[in-house]
Amino acid sequence: EAGVVQSPRYKIIEKKQPVAFWCNPISGHNTLYWYRQNLGQGPELLIRYENEEAVDDSQLPKDRFSAERLKGVDSTLKIQPAELGDSAVYLCASSLGGSLNEQFFGPGTRLTVL
Amino acid sequence: QKEVEQNSGPLSVPEGAIASLNCTYSDRGSQSFFWYRQYSGKSPELIMFIYSNGDKEDGRFTAQLNKASQYVSLLIRDSQPSDSATYLCAVNYNTNAGKSTFGDGTTLTVKP
Repeated sequence: EAGVVQSPRYKIIEKKQPVAFWCNPISGHNTLYWYRQNLGQGPELLIRYENEEAVDDSQLPKDRFSAERLKGVDSTLKIQPAELGDSAVYLCASSLGGSLNEQFFGPGTRLTVL
Repeated sequence: QKEVEQNSGPLSVPEGAIASLNCTYSDRGSQSFFWYRQYSGKSPELIMFIYSNGDKEDGRFTAQLNKASQYVSLLIRDSQPSDSATYLCAVNYNTNAGKSTFGDGTTLTVKP
């Protein structure tokens, strides 16, 4: 069974440019998460989807970040415009859902904003 | 105060020793607790989860939960150099079952 797929793996952009990350979760996983992880810190939740619905986006900086999960499968996270402080690893994870939700993480996208 | 606290380390143990990793959390309504391992440059992978008070064993790993004291720990017996990684504690809260809050992790180094 394929794991969580993310692309691109690495992205270098200049500040004020837009960037988008794509995630394909494990088949059958209804819950999808986007996290941001800074060096030396744990993953910080940006948004969580249950199927197509964003059920927790309280930590998403909505002035510049947007996300969508069309048809409850793939998801895209966008930043426009990017700032220097957005440099981080963006992780996508998926799970079957519920309180005992083992999350399976993708390899992440390492974003560098110059 | 962060919701999930871990000692950042680094924690260094000799090969074959027991490594003890600790995590405390602030919300008494927390229901389930997860330990993830993250190798440098890689993404987190689940080692164990626990939701009942007491111990849960899986091979060389034992998770311990004490809800009254609001802490959860991970013991690694017979530590191997391949166990060298950052260990992340994650907590799910009762009111938002699907959401995990992560600590910042403890870096473990096992010296041959």
